Amino acid sequence: SQKIEQNSEALNIQEGKTATLTCNYTNYSPAYLQWYRQDPGRGPVFLLLIRENEKEKRKERLKVTFDTTLKQSLFHITASQPADSATYLCALGGDSTLTFGKGTMLLVSP
Amino acid sequence: DTGVSQNPRHKITKRGQNVTFRCDPISEHNRLYWYRQTLGQGPEFLTYFQNEAQLEKSRLLSDRFSAERPKGSFSTLEIQRTEQGDSAMYLCASSLGAGGNEQYFGPGTRLTVT
Repeated sequence: SQKIEQNSEALNIQEGKTATLTCNYTNYSPAYLQWYRQDPGRGPVFLLLIRENEKEKRKERLKVTFDTTLKQSLFHITASQPADSATYLCALGGDSTLTFGKGTMLLVSP
Repeated sequence: DTGVSQNPRHKITKRGQNVTFRCDPISEHNRLYWYRQTLGQGPEFLTYFQNEAQLEKSRLLSDRFSAERPKGSFSTLEIQRTEQGDSAMYLCASSLGAGGNEQYFGPGTRLTVT
């Protein structure tokens, strides 16, 4: 069955550093991958989309890579800020639906 | 347009009761999705509509769950004969165009079944 793995442990980093979050998947060939941010008690907020024929996408301080051979996506936040503290979800899509991972909590300390 | 809205935000019900949640998507979005999220998990897809047509419903959790989008605008999700295991956050999202586009989520309805 399809499986999406994101780091279950929270990632703690210091302000100004680069945060790197990992999303691995098995038994799936997604046409695209999306990253969302979710704050406690709120719905997810879309951040970035990358398609299977793309290696890398950037948006401001965010960068996502997509390696379909390794079946892995990396999500980077450069110059991290305490306001970046949240849970980050990766989601895989191939048809019209998304399958989400459990998310990784990021904590950025001042 | 202020985004996707969901009502109510919180619902407490007793086991065996029926509940209905409403979702108002972003007005120009033709696709509407329902998800369930439990603590420590990512959103779990339930069903989606393109305009008024329900294109995927095989992943609704049981036949106690049903959804409608009668005029291709707002949608309702109904759970009949609620069980304690139905306690969760129910999220609605909408998007424009075909699959693969970003989804805009509402704040969710938190259901507690006692």
